[in-house]
Amino acid sequence: AQTVTQSQPEMSVQEAETVTLSCTYDTSENNYYLFWYKQPPSRQMILVIRQEAYKQQNATENRFSVNFQKAAKSFSLKISDSQLGDTAMYFCAFFSGTYKYIFGTGTRLKVLA
Amino acid sequence: DSGVTQTPKHLITATGQRVTLRCSPRSGDLSVYWYQQSLDQGLQFLIQYYNGEERAKGNILERFSAQQFPDLHSELNLSSLELGDSALYFCASSPRGLTRGTDTQYFGPGTRLTVL
Repeated sequence: AQTVTQSQPEMSVQEAETVTLSCTYDTSENNYYLFWYKQPPSRQMILVIRQEAYKQQNATENRFSVNFQKAAKSFSLKISDSQLGDTAMYFCAFFSGTYKYIFGTGTRLKVLA
Repeated sequence: DSGVTQTPKHLITATGQRVTLRCSPRSGDLSVYWYQQSLDQGLQFLIQYYNGEERAKGNILERFSAQQFPDLHSELNLSSLELGDSALYFCASSPRGLTRGTDTQYFGPGTRLTVL
C-alpha cells in the first residue's frame, strides 16, 4: 500500500529565510504524481506545486521548488524568501493509477517576523 | 477562489441525525472527490465520482454515502451521526480524474460539521 510520511510535525523559519519541508513516500508503482498543498488558518486547501514522477526536472513555482529524488522516494518542498503569508499547514500528497490521493499528516510551518 | 463551492459552510447537529453536504465542481470538471479532515489531522479520502459513477472508495463508513448527479454536483450523506464524525469535509474536483496523467484537484472551502 502507498504511504506518505511527513516527519516534521512543526517547523518555524524567519521571514526572508529559506526552509525545506520533507516528505517521503512508499509505492511500488512507476507512474505517479506528487503534490504539495497549503492549508492556511482559513482551512482552504491550496495547491502549491505538483511533480510528475516521469519527469526528472524538479518543479518550480516562483518561491516554491521541490527536490524530487525518485530512487529515494523523497519529495521535499523548499520555500525561499519566506513570507508571513506562508504560515500554514503543508500537506504532501501522492496520486497514482488507483485513483486515490493519499495525504501525509502535514507539517505546520510558522514564519516569524 | 478555486471555483468549487460547498454548502453549507457550517452545520451543527445532534447525534443520531442525518445531514447532507453539497458540492458543485468547477465548470467543466467531471470528477468529484470527498475528504474528511478531523481536528489537526490530515485528509482522509472518502470517495470519488466521475461523470456520475463511483470510481474509487477510500475509508468511507457504511453510514456515509454519496452520489453525483447529471449536472455533476455531488452530495455526501452522513447518517446516524456520532460525536466522532465532527470534522471538516472537503470536496474537490478535477477535469477528468484519469489514471494516465492526472489532473490537479481543486478544493472547495469545506463544510464544518459539528455533532453535539
